[in-house]
Amino acid sequence: ETGVTQTPRHLVMGMTNKKSLKCEQHLGHNAMYWYKQSAKKPLELMFVYNFKEQTENNSVPSRFSPECPNSSHLFLHLHTLQPEDSALYLCASSQDSQGGIGETQYFGPGTRLLVL
Amino acid sequence: DQQVKQNSPSLSVQEGRISILNCDYTNSMFDYFLWYKKYPAEGPTFLISISSIKDKNEDGRFTVFLNKSAKHLSLHIVPSQPGDSAVYFCAASGSGSSNTGKLIFGQGTTLQVKP
Repeated sequence: ETGVTQTPRHLVMGMTNKKSLKCEQHLGHNAMYWYKQSAKKPLELMFVYNFKEQTENNSVPSRFSPECPNSSHLFLHLHTLQPEDSALYLCASSQDSQGGIGETQYFGPGTRLLVL
Repeated sequence: DQQVKQNSPSLSVQEGRISILNCDYTNSMFDYFLWYKKYPAEGPTFLISISSIKDKNEDGRFTVFLNKSAKHLSLHIVPSQPGDSAVYFCAASGSGSSNTGKLIFGQGTTLQVKP
């Protein structure tokens, strides 16, 4: 138990569906992250939020829309996804996103997404 | 262009022996390195880290070594236990405007510890 929870754990959706992934952290952190892990690839950073403000969008297609209403909650809204978007989506949090020495990120269990 | 590489996709060792997992990086601006462990159906769990001002950090059975001149780090697990069987990810981050807050991950190495 890392203090970062994600729901749902598994999701199957059609290409025309709209769904949302939820992440919540109970660590008092100020930064939250979305990562994507596809089969046999390294984890890819998607978005970074620091104190509710988006500080990084790693060239993510607009069919992925993040939302961070407060420092404890992070959402990823999904619409008109493609089958190649099927992957494990991981949320993480850290004290802040200023980077550098000592900045450890703590991960949730992930949402396994399948797009049909 | 992969900035963090784990060239061995898998490693198998006998219980009680040493496991050595390797990681290479290319960006000299990286100054903080982490190892994560991941079991199936779970997110990565932070294991151990090292900053660039050190060349060794030890935590129980886990030791991370950093060779800055070679841009290489390694994770030593001794003695290895069957419960250590998992995927191990190396990650790096750096100060500086281009890297702030980003963790760059390697592809992972699957460790199997045989009883």
